[in-house]
Amino acid sequence: QSVLTQPPAASGTPGQRVTISCSGGSSNVGTKPVSWFQYVPGTAPKLLIYSNNQRPSGVPDRFSGSKSGTSASLAISGLQSEDEADYYCAAWDDSLNGFVFGGGTKLTVL
Amino acid sequence: QVQLVQSGAEVKKPGASVKVSCKASGYTFHYYDINWVRQAAGQGLEWMGWENRDSENTVYAQKFQGRVTMTRNISINTAYMELSSLTFEDTAVYFCARGPPPFDYWGQGTVVSVSS
Repeated sequence: QSVLTQPPAASGTPGQRVTISCSGGSSNVGTKPVSWFQYVPGTAPKLLIYSNNQRPSGVPDRFSGSKSGTSASLAISGLQSEDEADYYCAAWDDSLNGFVFGGGTKLTVL
Repeated sequence: QVQLVQSGAEVKKPGASVKVSCKASGYTFHYYDINWVRQAAGQGLEWMGWENRDSENTVYAQKFQGRVTMTRNISINTAYMELSSLTFEDTAVYFCARGPPPFDYWGQGTVVSVSS
């Protein structure tokens, strides 16, 4: 069971906006920066968002992140078929003295 | 450009050890930490630990303490992760990632299969 809680699945049609949530606690999301990764099995995970809402260069602005209290969210607007992947939130956890990932959300583009 | 290139797939028997390498290029190796993350079949991403850039400190996830060793050879820009006492549950894809968080660059992954 992951320390960070994500919905196991999400879906949307092309062009739609989808949001994926990530719920944690005061030892992780509440006090530490949150990152989001896109993962297609068989490839390397890709950093989408860091420091809650910052995009690395090369990541389209369709991807955005936010955080409020002990919850964070990833929003994907203008959904495209190539966005179909697993999405993970992550943050450092002071209680565990380690980095923790959410359980992952499988995004399906219908 | 920054690249992390990992060693090839491994097949091991239960109880054995495996050592995965991660060769860095395109940046100053000793300026950054190296983290290790794995993904078992049907499971999510799981952080295993990190070795800091000076090789003076390692932090291992509680789950792997006593069984994992992370090292680096600065002279050849290569980091290593050794996992001992393998069980079937260690069958997974293992990734190295440049740190500290966020992990902006990742290796391509190394498949480790534990089979009798």
